[in-house]
Amino acid sequence: DGGITQSPKYLFRKEGQNVTLSCEQNLNHDAMYWYRQDPGQGLRLIYYSQIVNDFQKGDIAEGYSVSREKKESFPLTVTSAQKNPTAFYLCASSIAGTGNQPQHFGDGTRLSIL
Amino acid sequence: DAKTTQPTSMDCAEGRAANLPCNHSTISGNEYVYWYRQIHSQGPQYIIHGLKNNETNEMASLIITEDRKSSTLILPHATLRDTAVYYCIVRVTNAGGTSYGKLTFGQGTILTVHP
Repeated sequence: DGGITQSPKYLFRKEGQNVTLSCEQNLNHDAMYWYRQDPGQGLRLIYYSQIVNDFQKGDIAEGYSVSREKKESFPLTVTSAQKNPTAFYLCASSIAGTGNQPQHFGDGTRLSIL
Repeated sequence: DAKTTQPTSMDCAEGRAANLPCNHSTISGNEYVYWYRQIHSQGPQYIIHGLKNNETNEMASLIITEDRKSSTLILPHATLRDTAVYYCIVRVTNAGGTSYGKLTFGQGTILTVHP
């Protein structure tokens, strides 16, 4: 079945460490996105990519980095510069082009600080 | 993107239709109405979207008023597994720059389906 796979489901980070969250999709979608969700709140856009080897900052990109070397993969690195990284991270993908294509989400990675 | 207003919570009996309202009085002509739902600790699930005509798929129906200032998501036969937070979102069709593709989730409606 086609879908979006995020791993790991739970991740723990020590202070000062960088961690990388994986996102893979087999939907043949061109566009991919990373969102962050804090308890009781909506989603906030971190980074997005419309095509391979290209990505743009979203609303809260500080302390995060991404790469898009393959169409299927859009890993997110949470760097030590992100001062409040504890959150639920969601990856999504969609068909590129006009903005009325729905985004489809993975099941998320929950990141906690030890 | 236009702001939406939804009730904080709703209840529905299993097997009955669940009608979830959404107000989007400032919606623009090129903004679509999207509905997603999120079950605890899972990613949001796309349900349906529309521009001005009513839409139906295997999950739900979307009724948009003629003036497009409000809409209703209808789950025709709610089950216990439909208990979730439901989000109504309006989004431009050809956004550019930093707003491209962004979905702005509000607080949503907590729908509880009970036996």
